[in-house]
Amino acid sequence: EVQLVESGGGLVQPGGSLRLSCVASGFAFSDYWMHWVRQAPGKGLVWVSRINSEGSSTSHADSVKGRFSTSRDNAKNTLYLQMNSLRAEDTAVYYCTRDLPSHTETPAYWGQGSLVTVSS
Amino acid sequence: QSALTQPRSVSGSPGQSVTISCTGTSSDVGNYNYVSWYQQHPGKVPKLMIYDVSQRPSGVPDRFSGSKSGNTASLTISGLQAEDEADYYCCSYTGTYTLIFGGGTKLTVL
Repeated sequence: EVQLVESGGGLVQPGGSLRLSCVASGFAFSDYWMHWVRQAPGKGLVWVSRINSEGSSTSHADSVKGRFSTSRDNAKNTLYLQMNSLRAEDTAVYYCTRDLPSHTETPAYWGQGSLVTVSS
Repeated sequence: QSALTQPRSVSGSPGQSVTISCTGTSSDVGNYNYVSWYQQHPGKVPKLMIYDVSQRPSGVPDRFSGSKSGNTASLTISGLQAEDEADYYCCSYTGTYTLIFGGGTKLTVL
């Protein structure tokens, strides 16, 4: 069974940093592209970033480009989202998602999410 | 880039059919057959319902179907059931390995 478990969320002041982790199990982590998707309270889904299976290529939404970075450690089956220069508008539940087999553009499996609150 | 355009809400009675539209541009929906749809019940994690415009993952009822014409994709739910009441989001590939979601549609089963 595919399992994705996020951690690292919490309350942070504007301008601060936070690193989210997502531990994967139940599948060959190193074979899949991964995405981060966020959802502000009461709002819709917003794609944040993606990383290829090797970890050599990443893409980020314009709203987080230059502030967030995505990485992975295939030996530890773990995906990361490093968030710097956080703003109030970054407040959201952050979901770690796994792509469909043989796909790179379809978040298919979702973790339970990690809440990040940016507030003074 | 702005979110894909979805109606804020749609409604239907049990047994009826409803269609949710998702309008993008020639740079996303109109240019790629990588449109997916997600169902999200309140307080729950999104669930993939349709991928590659019209493909259903195993376990998704065949009452759910997807299509695309030009820059607009559509999700149709036939034989509406009470448990279909949820928020629905479309998502499209935009090229250069980026994705974009729609603003979401709240489906109410009357």
